[in-house]
Amino acid sequence: GNSVTQMEGPVTLSEEAFLTINCTYTATGYPSLFWYVQYPGEGLQLLLKATKADDKGSNKGFEATYRKETTSFHLEKGSVQVSDSAVYFCALSDQSAQKLVFGQGTRLTINP
Amino acid sequence: ETGVTQSPTHLIKTRGQQVTLRCSSQSGHNTVSWYQQALGQGPQFIFQYYREEENGRGNFPPRFSGLQFPNYSSELNVNALELDDSALYLCASSLREVSYEQYFGPGTRLTVT
Repeated sequence: GNSVTQMEGPVTLSEEAFLTINCTYTATGYPSLFWYVQYPGEGLQLLLKATKADDKGSNKGFEATYRKETTSFHLEKGSVQVSDSAVYFCALSDQSAQKLVFGQGTRLTINP
Repeated sequence: ETGVTQSPTHLIKTRGQQVTLRCSSQSGHNTVSWYQQALGQGPQFIFQYYREEENGRGNFPPRFSGLQFPNYSSELNVNALELDDSALYLCASSLREVSYEQYFGPGTRLTVT
């Protein structure tokens, strides 16, 4: 079945550091890929998406590129801020669009 | 445009009881999906409703059931609650014909004692 694997957390960085959170997936066909962010005590917010190979999703300084050859969708940001502290989830949606399959989440803490 | 709303925010129930959680979808959306998020885990798909019909189900027992109403709002019902049902229950809405994007509500925190 479809699955998503994220890098183990938690991740702690200093403000203005470069961020990478790794995400790889297993899926049949051509899934759409997403990054969601969850702030403390809140639901999930869609951060960015990519729907086909080589697409780059971007939002709020975050980027991720859909790499079919490596089945990856790594999240990057060039300079993180304290306000980026949250839990980040990588997810895929199969072609039937019936459900999202999530990774286990990566907790990110940014220190001033 | 109104986003996805859920009620109640928090709920405490006793093992064996029944619970109903509610979700109002985002304006213009016709599909509602429910997810269970245990503490420290990613959300797990429970089921999806599209135009008032169940349209896919995850690996959850039949005591998890749902409804979707003509205005596309939805309910999640859980019977015979177990301690392991304690979790954050998330509702997400989407417009199935247009996009795979799902927009989430703030969730209902259920605690079973």
